[in-house]
Amino acid sequence: GQSLEQPSEVTAVEGAIVQINCTYQTSGFYGLSWYQQHDGGAPTFLSYNALDGLEETGRFSSFLSRSDSYGYLLLQELQMKDSASYFCAVLNDYKLSFGAGTTVTVRA
Amino acid sequence: IAGITQAPTSQILAAGRRMTLRCTQDMRHNAMYWYRQDLGLGLRLIHYSNTAGTTGKGEVPDGYSVSRANTDDFPLTLASAVPSQTSVYFCASSDGEGEAEAFFGQGTRLTVV
Repeated sequence: GQSLEQPSEVTAVEGAIVQINCTYQTSGFYGLSWYQQHDGGAPTFLSYNALDGLEETGRFSSFLSRSDSYGYLLLQELQMKDSASYFCAVLNDYKLSFGAGTTVTVRA
Repeated sequence: IAGITQAPTSQILAAGRRMTLRCTQDMRHNAMYWYRQDLGLGLRLIHYSNTAGTTGKGEVPDGYSVSRANTDDFPLTLASAVPSQTSVYFCASSDGEGEAEAFFGQGTRLTVV
């Protein structure tokens, strides 16, 4: 099987930077993805790391270290609309498995 | 608009009844997934299919069955619903093996009473 660990909640103010860590244990690992979900709606894809290093997409960046079984999502210049749940997910053996999610609350 | 359609949007079901949640995608994606989402537990994989004609078990398959007769449809059946199957169910699809970007439907909120 597999397991993913991420913090349950993070609170920050507008304009701040938030880092959401994710550690995983799995077999047949292909890569680590991140998804965003607003108010129980459909999760939407943010980023994917198959190789070690940092991937940047606008205000969001994602990092992977395969040797440490660790990754993170970095949210910069936080905005109120970034209040949502964020899930890390591992792609292994052609299955996509999710962590329990981190609720990010952005305060004015 | 291309995407994934789930039906029904919500349902209240008596325990012991049979129920099929429908999922259709028009993106010609090979891989499809069913997840349930419960508070504090994130998205848990129920069943998946990597291509038409094949299915596999996820983390929480008991009490659920799926079929993949064609590329577009991936129905999830609860043979005899129990209250613990009260949840929000999401169907998703991705382009194929090793493709990490999955597209999700809007979910089905199921309450078993």
